Amino acid sequence: NAGVTQTPKFQVLKTGQSMTLQCAQDMNHNSMYWYRQDPGMGLRLIYYSASEGTTDKGEVPNGYNVSRLNKREFSLRLESAAPSQTSVYFCASSEYPGHQETQYFGPGTRLLVL
Amino acid sequence: AQSVTQLDSQVPVFEEAPVELRCNYSSSVSVYLFWYVQYPNQGLQLLLKYLSGSTLVKGINGFEAEFNKSQTSFHLRKPSVHISDTAEYFCAVRAAGNKLTFGGGTRVLVKP
Repeated sequence: NAGVTQTPKFQVLKTGQSMTLQCAQDMNHNSMYWYRQDPGMGLRLIYYSASEGTTDKGEVPNGYNVSRLNKREFSLRLESAAPSQTSVYFCASSEYPGHQETQYFGPGTRLLVL
Repeated sequence: AQSVTQLDSQVPVFEEAPVELRCNYSSSVSVYLFWYVQYPNQGLQLLLKYLSGSTLVKGINGFEAEFNKSQTSFHLRKPSVHISDTAEYFCAVRAAGNKLTFGGGTRVLVKP
């Protein structure tokens, strides 16, 4: 039982390049989330998927797109990377989207955009 | 909109000393409160959460937190820290219908 896995662990991009961050969970959770973590700002929600087949914007969605490929997988795409997107990206999942639910986090992807 | 303030960005503490990490939130409705810990180069994991009932919540690794509704606070405490408690700690709040909102984090550095 690996929990939440993310690939890649590290990535360096040039401005304007595109890439997709992958996330998968093996806990049969319904809800999945993408956050970015910046120093002193905690984690901010980019997009989430309350259940398979649905996605919604979070607090900071501009410049990103997501795909809930199936119940296990939730990918985050940067179409044209910008230096402001340099951050650590975390994927998380929870059994349900309810407010009492604990979220389980992956190990993160460190992205540097030059 | 809800917000979460962690008053200390860094807390140095000696091994076996007590530590308190402060968290205040703003919300006019009932909230659910969480503390997460992030060890170096890892993802976040849940320390404890308050959903209802007793205002004193006990979590993993000897941590506890107290919910104070009148002061809108949810401070985290540990009576005696270990080197292995060196990490960043995040307070998070969720009101019904809203998303999880995180504070800015508090880095705890435990010194021998």
